[in-house]
Amino acid sequence: GAGVSQSPSNKVTEKGKDVELRCDPISGHTALYWYRQSLGQGLEFLIYFQGNSAPDKSGLPSDRFSAERTGGSVSTLTIQRTQQEDSAVYLCASSSPSGRRSTDTQYFGPGTRLTVL
Amino acid sequence: AQSVTQLGSHVSVSEGALVLLRCNYSSSVPPYLFWYVQYPNQGLQLLLKYTTGATLVKGINGFEAEFKKSETSFHLTKPSAHMSDAAEYFCAVSVMEYGNKLVFGAGTILRVKS
Repeated sequence: GAGVSQSPSNKVTEKGKDVELRCDPISGHTALYWYRQSLGQGLEFLIYFQGNSAPDKSGLPSDRFSAERTGGSVSTLTIQRTQQEDSAVYLCASSSPSGRRSTDTQYFGPGTRLTVL
Repeated sequence: AQSVTQLGSHVSVSEGALVLLRCNYSSSVPPYLFWYVQYPNQGLQLLLKYTTGATLVKGINGFEAEFKKSETSFHLTKPSAHMSDAAEYFCAVSVMEYGNKLVFGAGTILRVKS
């Protein structure tokens, strides 16, 4: 079946512009995660959605970052007023929660490479 | 809080040689541990995971890892390296009490020499 897909694969923007990154999780997966992969910081958790519960936003680095998940499926990560330090690969993952969610396998998409000039 | 330390940002082995990638974790509660692999310009793929039960875990592509609580380690091994194993490997920990996020190590780039 289809895996996690992300679009665009690459995005180049100018400092100060807003960007939207999209994630389509695996069909039927109720959990969705965003991570950021950068040279200086490695792989960092950003935000987690689980069904209709309030998202865990504890990893968002600033209020310029926000995410939503519509209809329990597609998610959009929005970065407002982009800065050069936002340049990174943004990875999306989804999982199908079992009784013990911390053991669930997260399936990752190919990522969106964001470059802020 | 949990943390993961991967010793060696780069590891180089000859084709056919043993692969050993080191991972140590810090957690105040029993951890769930994962190894992911990332090929160039691709997302992360799960190699194996430890949740409960048997401490020696076998994964895909001939990899295995052993959970050693006394050493707080979860090292990844493969008896014989193949050229296709060249990639970046990430160890990660997930703890239920701290949500479902994965906390990753810094990664180890594996180079396989012919």
